[in-house]
Amino acid sequence: QSALTQPPSASGSPGQSVTISCSGTSSDVGGYNFVSWYQQHPGKAPKLMIYEVNKRPSGVPDRFSGSKSGNTASLTVSGLQTEDEADYYCSSYGGINNLKVFGTGTKVTVL
Amino acid sequence: EVQLLESGGGLVQPGGSLRLSCKFSGLTFDNFAFGWVRQAPGKGLDWVSAINPGGDFTPHADSVKGRFTMSRDNSKNTLYLQMDGLRTEDTAIYYCAKDLPGSGWSFDSWGQGTLVTVSS
Repeated sequence: QSALTQPPSASGSPGQSVTISCSGTSSDVGGYNFVSWYQQHPGKAPKLMIYEVNKRPSGVPDRFSGSKSGNTASLTVSGLQTEDEADYYCSSYGGINNLKVFGTGTKVTVL
Repeated sequence: EVQLLESGGGLVQPGGSLRLSCKFSGLTFDNFAFGWVRQAPGKGLDWVSAINPGGDFTPHADSVKGRFTMSRDNSKNTLYLQMDGLRTEDTAIYYCAKDLPGSGWSFDSWGQGTLVTVSS
């Protein structure tokens, strides 16, 4: 059960955009349209931001968007705001025997 | 509003056991699937186990298979994680989470977490 690969860090100034990649394999990211993204502030529980590659739960700003190409998924945060500073984790369905695989996590800093 | 309240964490010696509970309110419990996710101190998220609405599908991560068992009591709106043979590497905050139906096991509601420390 290998974790999905994310860059350790990403940053941008307020108002700019930042994109985080999530690299998997054909057994997880590339094999299913079941990629999700979670935001986690320090000391808090994770929060679902994107599911099924590019769908946003109710209440998540449309500044957050997701996409996928082959075995790599991406999360883009447009119009960065200070409250977007957090850790972000991707996740993918990995089949019946490896149900949910998480990424290594990316710390987003708003400069 | 969905609310999840975990309990049962604490300090245990290697080889010991603990049972975590997660009580839900604000939803029709037996319509949904759920999962447990853990996070070791300063580390990333790690899926532990899941359970379908009927309780007859309970996959577990390889790292806990044979040692941990997830179950549910629909009459009490409560999930359980029985953890036996605990190891130091099981030290983590354990979160229970609700599945978003049809989303490939995306978790849209999370508890506040309960800390499990395995140490002698």
